[in-house]
Amino acid sequence: NAGVTQTPKFQVLKTGQSMTLQCAQDMNHEYMSWYRQDPGMGLRLIHYSVGAGITDQGEVPNGYNVSRSTTEDFPLRLLSAAPSQTSVYFCASSYGVRGRGEKLFFGSGTQLSVL
Amino acid sequence: AQKVTQAQTEISVVEKEDVTLDCVYETRDTTYYLFWYKQPPSGELVFLIRRNSFDEQNEISGRYSWNFQKSTSSFNFTITASQVVDSAVYFCALSDLSGNTGKLIFGQGTTLQVKP
Repeated sequence: NAGVTQTPKFQVLKTGQSMTLQCAQDMNHEYMSWYRQDPGMGLRLIHYSVGAGITDQGEVPNGYNVSRSTTEDFPLRLLSAAPSQTSVYFCASSYGVRGRGEKLFFGSGTQLSVL
Repeated sequence: AQKVTQAQTEISVVEKEDVTLDCVYETRDTTYYLFWYKQPPSGELVFLIRRNSFDEQNEISGRYSWNFQKSTSSFNFTITASQVVDSAVYFCALSDLSGNTGKLIFGQGTTLQVKP
């Protein structure tokens, strides 16, 4: 029972570098999303997808790109890392119809530091 | 706009005390869902409960209980006889059903420390 798998668990970047956070789920969930967690701010939605080939922006999308070529994978790309992107990132998926009202299954998180 | 407020940033109790975590939400939807998640020190997010807006019955699961009151827009979480293993960050969340796609809106989280 792998569930939602995120890699890497930890990453340190220099300002301006790019990288991709990987996310894969094996539950055949249509809905996938990326959140970032910052102290005192809870979790905020970055991008989400309701199926292969369909993505949309969440609350804090600037500086991030996503794509969904398969049902299983939903990578998050940082185009040019900035210190403000230092955060813990969570990938999540849901079996609900377009993510409406269903619980989210979360990955274990990626702790990213941008120097 | 939808919003979730957890006014208690940090709570510290001694083991075996009861503790209540407050959650107040704002929404224009008549149908919505509320959630509680637990984040232990290991960092993962663990689902605890989901309630829909039509079910105001309180729920009890072992030492955990939830009090949902639409009249006050609150969905509070009580741990009875707390244990050290309950130490974690607890998040309340509200489903945003406006539009065609759902989103979860999280509160700021409450850090609970249970001391032995």
